[in-house]
Amino acid sequence: GDSVTQMEGPVTLSEEAFLTINCTYTATGYPSLFWYVQYPGEGLQLLLKATKADDKGSNKGFEATYRKETTSFHLEKGSVQVSDSAVYFCALSDLGYGQNFVFGPGTRLSVLP
Amino acid sequence: ETGVTQTPRHLVMGMTNKKSLKCEQHLGHNAMYWYKQSAKKPLELMFVYSLEERVENNSVPSRFSPECPNSSHLFLHLHTLQPEDSALYLCASSRTGEGQPQHFGDGTRLSIL
Repeated sequence: GDSVTQMEGPVTLSEEAFLTINCTYTATGYPSLFWYVQYPGEGLQLLLKATKADDKGSNKGFEATYRKETTSFHLEKGSVQVSDSAVYFCALSDLGYGQNFVFGPGTRLSVLP
Repeated sequence: ETGVTQTPRHLVMGMTNKKSLKCEQHLGHNAMYWYKQSAKKPLELMFVYSLEERVENNSVPSRFSPECPNSSHLFLHLHTLQPEDSALYLCASSRTGEGQPQHFGDGTRLSIL
């Protein structure tokens, strides 16, 4: 079945450091890929997405590129802020209406001032 | 303000109680989702409603009963739950055809005694 693997957390960085959170997937078809963010005490928010190979999703300084050859969708940000502290979830969708919508386990990021 | 409102935010109940979780959105979306978020486990999709009809039920025990009276409201009725049902229950919504949940509520933290 489809699955998403993320790097284990927690990840602790200093402010203005470069961030990479690795995400790899397995899927039978050609999935769409997503990153969600969950701030403390809140629900998840869609951060960015990419629907086909070589697409780059970007939002709020975060970027991720859909790499079909390496089945990866790594999340990057050039300079993190304390306000970026949250849990980040990689996810894929192989079909519509949430069917076969699979989340990774999440990676907790803590950014220190 | 996420646009998706869940009530209550916290709920403690005994195993023999009956309670309901409520989700409300006024984003004009017509697909709504229930997810279960347990510690150290990936998000689990429980139910999906599209245009007020259930389109997905991921083998959820019958002690969880969803209800979608209209496209703005979603309920999760709870009856004779087990301690392992303690978790954060997240509601989400999207436009039909988007294929993934766009907006999440902040969740209801459920504790079963």
